Amino acid sequence: AAGVIQSPRHLIKEKRETATLKCYPIPRHDTVYWYQQGPGQDPQFLISFYEKMQSDKGSIPDRFSAQQFSDYHSELNMSSLELGDSALYFCASLDRKTGANVLTFGAGSRLTVL
Amino acid sequence: DQQVKQNSPSLSVQEGRISILNCDYTNSMFDYFLWYKKYPAEGPTFLISISSIKDKNEDGRFTVFLNKSAKHLSLHIVPSQPGDSAVYFCAARLYNNNDMRFGAGTRLTVKP
Repeated sequence: AAGVIQSPRHLIKEKRETATLKCYPIPRHDTVYWYQQGPGQDPQFLISFYEKMQSDKGSIPDRFSAQQFSDYHSELNMSSLELGDSALYFCASLDRKTGANVLTFGAGSRLTVL
Repeated sequence: DQQVKQNSPSLSVQEGRISILNCDYTNSMFDYFLWYKKYPAEGPTFLISISSIKDKNEDGRFTVFLNKSAKHLSLHIVPSQPGDSAVYFCAARLYNNNDMRFGAGTRLTVKP
């Protein structure tokens, strides 16, 4: 069965650069969540989207933005990167319309800021 | 506003003993609760869930208890095994829009 696909799996950037992470949810899933897990830390909720609209917002920095496209994939854009942005970024999807309860997570994208 | 709280960031138990992970919530609009397990460098995976109309759900070594009056749920792992060492997240679903809220997680360490 198709899973949640995240790309790239690994990304290395310099400080003050920009990075974009992509998330392709399971087909027909309409809801996407983004989480950030720093080294030695637990995942923190960043933002979620339902039917291409922002659904909930967590601890997402102002330097970050995200959107969900018509094909339901989502992109997390990070600008003016800081060393502290180095983390594992997880995306998860859910078919909210059906009342499904279980999020399926991708394997994550590891961002390293040098 | 953190509506799902896991107040214990970490828990350490001996192999073979019981692990009890706790979760509290504040929103009465939650109608479904889930536990996720996360290993390092992997995405969280679904473990077990419970509907708000029940007070217990059991799946092998894992049992989730729900106390609606106290707005509290717990995950029991018996017997605990070293492979259970992971971060456990409690999650709750809002019945009106099906949105999900997650707790901050509890890191369980099971010592051999």
